[in-house]
Amino acid sequence: AQSVSQHNHHVILSEAASLELGCNYSYGGTVNLFWYVQYPGQHLQLLLKYFSGDPLVKGIKGFEAEFIKSKFSFNLRKPSVQWSDTAEYFCAVSILTGGGNKLTFGTGTQLKVEL
Amino acid sequence: GAGVSQSPRYKVAKRGQDVALRCDPISGHVSLFWYQQALGQGPEFLTYFQNEAQLDKSGLPSDRFFAERPEGSVSTLKIQRTQQEDSAVYLCASSPIMRMNTEAFFGQGTRLTVV
Repeated sequence: AQSVSQHNHHVILSEAASLELGCNYSYGGTVNLFWYVQYPGQHLQLLLKYFSGDPLVKGIKGFEAEFIKSKFSFNLRKPSVQWSDTAEYFCAVSILTGGGNKLTFGTGTQLKVEL
Repeated sequence: GAGVSQSPRYKVAKRGQDVALRCDPISGHVSLFWYQQALGQGPEFLTYFQNEAQLDKSGLPSDRFFAERPEGSVSTLKIQRTQQEDSAVYLCASSPIMRMNTEAFFGQGTRLTVV
């Protein structure tokens, strides 16, 4: 079965600092990769996704992620964070099975951006 | 509505009580998923529907959990004889078709507290 590891559980940054959140997955076949964000009191929202093609994916709000197949990684980056980026970030992977395109999530990274 | 709607948003149940959680997916979405998110964890897959057919229920933790989607739209997750370990946020997600390259849209979840 596939699994997802997020290495940073809590991250605290000052505004304008650069962000990189690690994500590794274990699965030998074709996968889709996602980063979801959950702002306080809100539902999970898609930040960006990788299906195929260019391994450098750009998402909303200045976020990007790079798929490195050889490392089974899909790290999330942002050059300069803002206070409004305070949220919980989840990496997820999906494989297509008879049971649909279900997602396997990491445990999440709580990001706090301080002014 | 424009998004996935779940009700109730919050539910407090006494141990042993039965509960029913409702999910209204985005209109026309074929695939519907239920996830369970315990405190401090990422969402974990419970079950999947393609239209009215429940194709995967491998994530349901016990036979006290039951899900249905009789007309292929609204879905209900029922938990019988609730126990304290059932306390979690229950998330519903839908996607337009069952295909590899699709994303899931999440509702705000139902926070269940069993006392």
